[in-house]
Amino acid sequence: VQLLESGGGLAQPGGSLRLSCAASGFTFSTYAVSWVRQTPGKGLDWVSTISAAGTTTSYADSVKGRFTISRDNSKNTLSLQMNSLRVEDTAVYYCVKDRGPYGGSSDYWGRGTLVTVSS
Amino acid sequence: DTQMTQSPSTLSASVGDRVTITCRASQSISSWLAWYQQKPGKAPKLLIYDASSLQSGVPSRFSGSGSGTEFTLTISSLQPDDFATYYCQQYNSYRTFGQGTKVEIK
Repeated sequence: VQLLESGGGLAQPGGSLRLSCAASGFTFSTYAVSWVRQTPGKGLDWVSTISAAGTTTSYADSVKGRFTISRDNSKNTLSLQMNSLRVEDTAVYYCVKDRGPYGGSSDYWGRGTLVTVSS
Repeated sequence: DTQMTQSPSTLSASVGDRVTITCRASQSISSWLAWYQQKPGKAPKLLIYDASSLQSGVPSRFSGSGSGTEFTLTISSLQPDDFATYYCQQYNSYRTFGQGTKVEIK
């Protein structure tokens, strides 16, 4: 199983970024996938989850209305569109595979991509 | 929202020690709890899911127990590779992580 994130970088407050995750080594369309972030030197925060078929999405209150999760099962890719970015969105963003079709614990994690929001 | 509280925040121990970390949920989460290990600069690694099921490939010195609101992660005999930070996570309602427990060398 491999999960490879891309798209991180520097953005200004109020700006946008789009993260992508390329998945391989498992039947992508069978499992939910999620984004989890970690502020440098601090703990873990769940961001969003999308079900295996892409029909159900959920978001942390801190990103609801600003971030949009999506997946393309034909291309084995997961995306996170981040709009109206805030300084407090600065973190390493991990793409994670969940153990079930609707979520659960996360058995595989990518290496992460750093998002920095600063003026 | 379900809050997760881990204790202690830091734990100093020696190789061979039995180590126990506690995680408390602000409301019942049945057995929908996982434990992860994270080393500096690396992604977290799943150790335990559904409160007491050992993830494939994880050494048997790791074990989990509990249900409802109180859970424990036990390392039966601490090994040099086990010095790391450990997080609990509930997935009963959305997901919430505990604040982490750093296991340090005594």
